[in-house]
Amino acid sequence: DAGITQSPRHKVTETGTPVTLRCHQTENHRYMYWYRQDPGHGLRLIHYSYGVKDTDKGEVSDGYSVSRSKTEDFLLTLESATSSQTSVYFCAISESHRVDSGYTFGSGTRLTVV
Amino acid sequence: LAKTTQPISMDSYEGQEVNITCSHNNIATNDYITWYQQFPSQGPRFIIQGYKTKVTNEVASLFIPADRKSSTLSLPRVSLSDTAVYYCLVGDVGGGSASKIIFGSGTRLSIRP
Repeated sequence: DAGITQSPRHKVTETGTPVTLRCHQTENHRYMYWYRQDPGHGLRLIHYSYGVKDTDKGEVSDGYSVSRSKTEDFLLTLESATSSQTSVYFCAISESHRVDSGYTFGSGTRLTVV
Repeated sequence: LAKTTQPISMDSYEGQEVNITCSHNNIATNDYITWYQQFPSQGPRFIIQGYKTKVTNEVASLFIPADRKSSTLSLPRVSLSDTAVYYCLVGDVGGGSASKIIFGSGTRLSIRP
C-alpha cells in the first residue's frame, strides 16, 4: 500500500531465535500499530505507538516488544520466537487513534517459526 | 468493549446485491462503525464508516438503525472481484485507546459467476 512498507515480506526462522519486523511509513502519521492475523481469530492488536518513544500494549502483547525511535519506523521484535508466533503480521498507520480516522494497512509479513 | 458478531461466511452471484449484517448490541454513545475489506495476501482496506442512519460512497452503503445495535453493509451488483473478507469494527470516536478497537473474525464473502 502506498505510504507504508513492511519488511521482510516472508521469513522463516528457528524456535528460540530473535526476529525483528520493520514497518516504515512516509505519511508522517502519529499512530502506528502491529496486528497479527491467524485463522479463526481475525486481526488482533499486539502493540501500538502514539508517538516517538510512546508505545502501549494491545490484546496479545506477551512475547513481543516494540520500539519507535523515529516517526516513520515502528519495529516489532520477537525476543525468542516460538511456534505459536507463526502468523501473518500487519502494520497499520492512522492520523489518530480514533476509529473514524481510518487505518491504512501494509501488505503484511508472513512469519514461520520452525 | 462493543463486541461485534458477523456471519462467518456468505455466498452470492455476480450482479446480485449483497447485504452483510453486523450485530453490536453493546455499542456505546461515542462508538463509530467502520467496515474494512481484505483480499488474500493483502492488508485490510477501509471501505466505509458511519455513526447513524445511512452512508453511501462509490463502493458501498452502510445502513444503521436508530438503536445502532446493528449495521448492514450493502454491496450493489457484486462482481467476482468483491470476493474478500469483510470486517465490521466498532470503536471509540475519541478519548479511548487503540486497544478498544476490535476487528473480530470477519465475514468471508464468496462471489460465484
